[in-house]
Amino acid sequence: AQKVTQAQTEISVVEKEDVTLDCVYETRDTTYYLFWYKQPPSGELVFLIRRNSFDEQNEISGRYSWNFQKSTSSFNFTITASQVVDSAVYFCALSERGRDDKIIFGKGTRLHILP
Amino acid sequence: DVKVTQSSRYLVKRTGEKVFLECVQDMDHENMFWYRQDPGLGLRLIYFSYDVKMKEKGDIPEGYSVSREKKERFSLILESASTNQTSMYLCASGRGGSGTGELFFGEGSRLTVL
Repeated sequence: AQKVTQAQTEISVVEKEDVTLDCVYETRDTTYYLFWYKQPPSGELVFLIRRNSFDEQNEISGRYSWNFQKSTSSFNFTITASQVVDSAVYFCALSERGRDDKIIFGKGTRLHILP
Repeated sequence: DVKVTQSSRYLVKRTGEKVFLECVQDMDHENMFWYRQDPGLGLRLIYFSYDVKMKEKGDIPEGYSVSREKKERFSLILESASTNQTSMYLCASGRGGSGTGELFFGEGSRLTVL
C-alpha cells in the first residue's frame, strides 16, 4: 500500500532561520512521482516541485531546495532564510506511475514563520 | 493563466439543505477531483471523474454525489447537508493518462453546516 508520512504537524521558526520539512513515503511501484504543494492562507494548493523515481538529483530553486533519497524513502524540503510569506501548510504527495487519479497526500505540515 | 475556479469561497447552510459546489477548469483536462480537507486529516478524495458523465468513488463518498455534464465543469452535491460535512472542499483537475500526476487546485470552498 502507498503511504505518505509528514511527521511534523506544525513548525514555528523565526524569520531568516532555515527550516526542513520531512516527508517519508512508501510504495511498491518502481515508477512514481513525488510532489510538494504549498497552501497559503488563501486556500489554493500551489504546485512547488515534482520528482520522478528515476531522478535522485537534488534540486534548488531560489531559497527552496529538495533532497530526494530513495535509500531512505524520503523527499525533504528545506527553506533557507525563511520569510513570513513562507507561512503556509505544505503537503507532500506521491503519484503511482504518474497517475493523477492515484495520488496520496500526506497530512501536511503547518509552517509558521515568526517576524 | 490556467485556472480552476470554485463558485463559492464561503457558504453557510442549514442541516438538511441541498448544497451544490461548482468547479470549472479552463485547461481542457480529462480528470477532475473533489477533495475534502479537515485539520489533522489532510486531503481526502471524495469523488473523481475521468470523462464527461463518468465518475469514480474516492475514499469518502458517503453523503455526496457528483455531476459532470461538461468536460470543464464538475459539481459536488450534498443531498442533505449534515453538520459533519462542515469542511473545506477543494476541487482539482489533472491531465489524466500516463502523465506526471500533477494536479491544479481551486481556492477552496469553506462550507459550514448549522
